[in-house]
Amino acid sequence: KAGVTQTPRYLIKTRGQQVTLSCSPISGHRSVSWYQQTPGQGLQFLFEYFSETQRNKGNFPGRFSGRQFSNSRSEMNVSTLELGDSALYLCASMGGGTDTQYFGPGTRLTVL
Amino acid sequence: KNEVEQSPQNLTAQEGEFITINCSYSVGISALHWLQQHPGGGIVSLFMLSSGKKKHGRLIATINIQEKHSSLHITASHPRDSAVYICAVTIGNTPLVFGKGTRLSVIA
Repeated sequence: KAGVTQTPRYLIKTRGQQVTLSCSPISGHRSVSWYQQTPGQGLQFLFEYFSETQRNKGNFPGRFSGRQFSNSRSEMNVSTLELGDSALYLCASMGGGTDTQYFGPGTRLTVL
Repeated sequence: KNEVEQSPQNLTAQEGEFITINCSYSVGISALHWLQQHPGGGIVSLFMLSSGKKKHGRLIATINIQEKHSSLHITASHPRDSAVYICAVTIGNTPLVFGKGTRLSVIA
């Protein structure tokens, strides 16, 4: 089975712009979670989607949003980018009756 | 106060040494996860524990629910074990809460 894929892998944006990141889960997995990783805060949960519905949401401002499509692929969007949004954004999928999360390689976002 | 505390933050070991990384948490949990993150960012889930002990190859993870403590052991360490090891917990149906990670360097 193919693993979790994320696109793009690297992204450079400027303050005020918006960005959309994509995540394709392992085939058959219906849960997709998004995480932000920064040197200062470590890994933090953003949100989780299951069957196109947001199931959990972390403590992030409304500029961070996401969605999931019927094929379980998920996107997250960050509007009005700030310097502090520079981070590695990871998605993870879960399914097959287990609670193990399978992580993608991440998208490294740099905001200038 | 972080709900999940790891120690040590950094660890350097000689190849072949036995390594222990500790994780303490402050609330009742549903499960505890050990993750490995190599340079470049990719994360691999190593173990998920709710009680007892699990072993996979040279890796052993234990958890003591009463003491709210878990350990990850690496036997016969090797330079390819160099990575950041992250402890995370789930509380009920809430998503993962992560520790800050332990950076391990194994020197040949």
